[in-house]
Amino acid sequence: NAGVTQTPKFRILKIGQSMTLQCAQDMNHNYMYWYRQDPGMGLKLIYYSVGAGITDKGEVPNGYNVSRSTTEDFPLRLELAAPSQTSVYFCASRPGHMNTEAFFGQGTRLTVV
Amino acid sequence: GESVGLHLPTLSVQEGDNSIINCAYSNSASDYFIWYKQESGKGPQFIIDIRSNMDKRQGQRVTVLLNKTVKHLSLQIAATQPGDSAVYFCAENSYSGGGADGLTFGKGTHLIIQP
Repeated sequence: NAGVTQTPKFRILKIGQSMTLQCAQDMNHNYMYWYRQDPGMGLKLIYYSVGAGITDKGEVPNGYNVSRSTTEDFPLRLELAAPSQTSVYFCASRPGHMNTEAFFGQGTRLTVV
Repeated sequence: GESVGLHLPTLSVQEGDNSIINCAYSNSASDYFIWYKQESGKGPQFIIDIRSNMDKRQGQRVTVLLNKTVKHLSLQIAATQPGDSAVYFCAENSYSGGGADGLTFGKGTHLIIQP
């Protein structure tokens, strides 16, 4: 049971480039989340999904897009990378609203230069 | 211009002492409050939760207290050990306005254990 797997672990992007952060979970969880964590700061919700085909914006969605075509995968897309998007990105999943234990991936450290 | 953010507060305790980490929450409609622990270089991990109709819950070496009157949550760690060094986040489980659903995390506290 791998849990939540994020790829890549590290990435350096140039301003204006695009990339997709991958997130996959093998626990059959309905709810999935993307957070960003700036150095020495807390977690901010970017997007979330309560099931395949359903996505919603979180606190800081600008500059990002997501899709949820399957229960397992929840990729996060950056279309035009900006220095302000330098951060560590965490994907998380949980079975449903009443399950308070969310499982997090190891994070993707992204630097935009 | 330069962005200014609020960095994590720090709590320093002696090994073996009890630690108390505090959190103020904002949403009275949250149905659960949760504590997560984040070790350096890792994703957050669930520690303990408390339902909104309770005021105390105990786990192994940890106790969570909920004071709904002042919207305050605390995590008490007994006999703090070096492995407790981490950033601790409180989180609210709620349906936000407009039907949104998510775990909302607080700012976090960095717990440092002094030998």
